[in-house]
Amino acid sequence: SAVISQKPSRDICQRGTSLTIQCQVDSQVTMMFWYRQQPGQSLTLIATANQGSEATYESGFVIDKFPISRPNLTFSTLTVSNMSPEDSSIYLCSVKGVGPETQYFGPGTRLLVL
Amino acid sequence: EDQVTQSPEALRLQEGESSSLNCSYTVSGLRGLFWYRQDPGKGPEFLFTLYSAGEEKEKERLKATLTKKESFLHITAPKPEDSATYLCAVQGPAGTALIFGKGTTLSVSS
Repeated sequence: SAVISQKPSRDICQRGTSLTIQCQVDSQVTMMFWYRQQPGQSLTLIATANQGSEATYESGFVIDKFPISRPNLTFSTLTVSNMSPEDSSIYLCSVKGVGPETQYFGPGTRLLVL
Repeated sequence: EDQVTQSPEALRLQEGESSSLNCSYTVSGLRGLFWYRQDPGKGPEFLFTLYSAGEEKEKERLKATLTKKESFLHITAPKPEDSATYLCAVQGPAGTALIFGKGTTLSVSS
């Protein structure tokens, strides 16, 4: 299984500011995903990040709010822009495993927006 | 619309008291059904993927089964360290996004 790390692990931010979350994987992976886990809610896919192409966003999520970079096969960033308290959530990076269908998750970034 | 519903929302068991968690789903063309364990403050930990009705998988005290409409996660003789939130997710024919349920929070007391 892939080992995934995220930075920062948690942060407290002021509304109107932006935060960039980093995701590092210990092996090269084709597909990386960014999810959001709001309190009491299901994990929800924000976007799929493929190396060398634009990220694909799910309904309800836009690039201006959640810009994503994928410079190589082991790294991705998600930026939460112009934050509001409603963006307080856990943001999770995920990668598709090799072989049978699997997805592995990072430890998450806990964001609180005041 | 693809949907996943987990029940119960919370379950309290005594150590050694076996039980089952339910995951009902609707998806057009199931590619896979996933079970994860999530401990407080951590990301989901992969447990199983099931692909077709009738399939079963086991890991220690956990056994996952799949029908055409639902999946069960059976916990046999649970221990306090099994306490966690268990998440179910399905993957449709597009083969990328996972659609998650809200999870079942299991508490096992000694």
